[in-house]
Amino acid sequence: DQQVKQNSPSLSVQEGRISILNCDYTNSMFDYFLWYKKYPAEGPTFLISISSIKDKNEDGRFTVFLNKSAKHLSLHIVPSQPGDSAVYFCAASAPSGYSTLTFGKGTMLLVSP
Amino acid sequence: NAGVMQNPRHLVRRRGQEARLRCSPMKGHSHVYWYRQLPEEGLKFMVYLQKENIIDESGMPKERFSAEFPKEGPSILRIQQVVRGDSAAYFCASSPPETEKNTEAFFGQGTRLTVV
Repeated sequence: DQQVKQNSPSLSVQEGRISILNCDYTNSMFDYFLWYKKYPAEGPTFLISISSIKDKNEDGRFTVFLNKSAKHLSLHIVPSQPGDSAVYFCAASAPSGYSTLTFGKGTMLLVSP
Repeated sequence: NAGVMQNPRHLVRRRGQEARLRCSPMKGHSHVYWYRQLPEEGLKFMVYLQKENIIDESGMPKERFSAEFPKEGPSILRIQQVVRGDSAAYFCASSPPETEKNTEAFFGQGTRLTVV
């Protein structure tokens, strides 16, 4: 029973273009969503987050959009850079009082020059 | 300010042996989380600890796995009588005390356990 789904295992984008990574969730109790970036042989690094009371959060080249009615969120990276090539994990937490996360399987982004 | 430190980075154990994975949280952090990543999978929550207390172990296998976070020293994830299916990357994360409900946890680089 996968509560957080990233249906695209991989995505290839040219440098300078927009990268859009998608994430769907099934648990309506989730109220906080995060994106992590992971390079091989390293731990996940926090990228950006969004609370369920918002529908958009922006930080530099990264923007996360949340559509609660569709239980869908997306991460936009613009412009994409070769250094953005990594695996991106979508994660969610429920209002349990602490930061336990439920992760998707990840999407490998490859940005080519 | 050092990040979350995990050791060893790589651990090889024969079937039936014990594996001990260590995690030192970031300075000032008192909440520790362990996650496991199987090949081609996302990270799966195992256990959440505060100093000397297990808060949530709902993701821990019922047998052979245990975790502790003593008053002094690192958090330890212990796997007894390892089997090949335990081969995975084990990640530790930490967050500060009085954490607001919505905050990010900081991850270590992980321990890659290989059972042969």
